[in-house]
Amino acid sequence: RKEVEQDPGPFNVPEGATVAFNCTYSNSASQSFFWYRQDCRKEPKLLMSVYSSGNEDGRFTAQLNRASQYISLLIRDSKLSDSATYLCVANPLTGGGNKLTFGTGTQLKVEL
Amino acid sequence: DARVTQTPRHKVTEMGQEVTMRCQPILGHNTVFWYRQTMMQGLELLAYFRNRAPLDDSGMPKDRFSAEMPDATLATLKIQPSEPRDSAVYFCASGLATGFSYNEQFFGPGTRLTVL
Repeated sequence: RKEVEQDPGPFNVPEGATVAFNCTYSNSASQSFFWYRQDCRKEPKLLMSVYSSGNEDGRFTAQLNRASQYISLLIRDSKLSDSATYLCVANPLTGGGNKLTFGTGTQLKVEL
Repeated sequence: DARVTQTPRHKVTEMGQEVTMRCQPILGHNTVFWYRQTMMQGLELLAYFRNRAPLDDSGMPKDRFSAEMPDATLATLKIQPSEPRDSAVYFCASGLATGFSYNEQFFGPGTRLTVL
């Protein structure tokens, strides 16, 4: 079983729709969580951090449920430019503080 | 605009050949990571350096892969001999670690390796 699991998709949604991605992690010692975005044939880039209290950045909302070891990303009013792969990331903080474990990603396609 | 650079961007080689990939981390960053990405496995951590010292290379096949940081501005990942199953995109990332708190990792554009 992978340490971070995601539904690979693809999620095909019309422009303006709301879409939610979920992710589960198996290492209960994980302390920090993130969503990275990766465009086709490009490098991953940090989209947002995920805090226990939930956090919002414009149209994006991230939430963490430590009891269920579950992370979510909600995108409202989706745009064509949101089409990408979204990577769920956990920081297990075992030895090296910056070691990250990536999920395999969820592909989003926003269509006209 | 500081960014991580990687060379070469693309590499096609034949099985058995040596491959060397290079990475220049962002100036001032003290952590460097090598990842491999394939469709099946996603992003896998191969090696991790902090202040040029290797901290974790448990994800790297030791018999053929080696990673080094000869100085603070250069990290290398070498495969010898290469095999077709090594075909993947290899990313280098750097970050600034302070204690055990997380700091963002910045990725380079990757080296797309094809081993025939």
